[in-house]
Amino acid sequence: EVQLVESGGGLVQPGGSLRLSCTASGFTFSSYDMHWVRQSTGKGLEWVAAIGSLGDTHYADSVKGRFIISREDADNSFYLQMDGLRAGDTAVYYCARASYAGNDFWGQGTLATVSS
Amino acid sequence: EIVLTQFPGTLSLSPGERATLSCRASQNINRNFFAWYQQTPGQAPRLLIYGASNRATGIPDRFSGSGSGTDFTLTITRLEPEDFAVYYCHHYATSLITFGQGTRLEI
Repeated sequence: EVQLVESGGGLVQPGGSLRLSCTASGFTFSSYDMHWVRQSTGKGLEWVAAIGSLGDTHYADSVKGRFIISREDADNSFYLQMDGLRAGDTAVYYCARASYAGNDFWGQGTLATVSS
Repeated sequence: EIVLTQFPGTLSLSPGERATLSCRASQNINRNFFAWYQQTPGQAPRLLIYGASNRATGIPDRFSGSGSGTDFTLTITRLEPEDFAVYYCHHYATSLITFGQGTRLEI
């Protein structure tokens, strides 16, 4: 069974940092691209970042230069390092597996709150 | 940048009725990289349709997708109570990844 479990969310002050983690199981992690998608309370889905199976990375303009996505295939995990956080980054952050079928599996999300 | 615009924003229907949800892209997109998701309150999104018209594993056949170019449609025949949720369209070609703003399907 495919499972994705996020961790690392929490409360941080504006300008601060958080590192989100997503641990995968039930599939060959190294063969898949992986994404982070976020959702502010009551709002829609916003794609944040992607990392390919070969380590290539892509970012939404809203986070480029502040967030870094990375992966560690040996640990079946990938990460989102979030620096220079702003109030507008407050959201539930989902990790998701990406394939030819889109984001076919999602974690349950971790909440990151940026507030003073 | 590709912008996906969903309409209507809210659709009010009753169980047993047919729902038609639309998504328009700001430019032609490859239908092979187009998907629909369903999200219920407090839950992660669930993949319904990929490649514009292929049902994901376990999705009932009352859900169907169609379209190409800039115009895509999700159709739900014979609405069930559990179908009342928010639906998102999604383009997922690498580096051109975006979601629509969502359509709320309500009773």
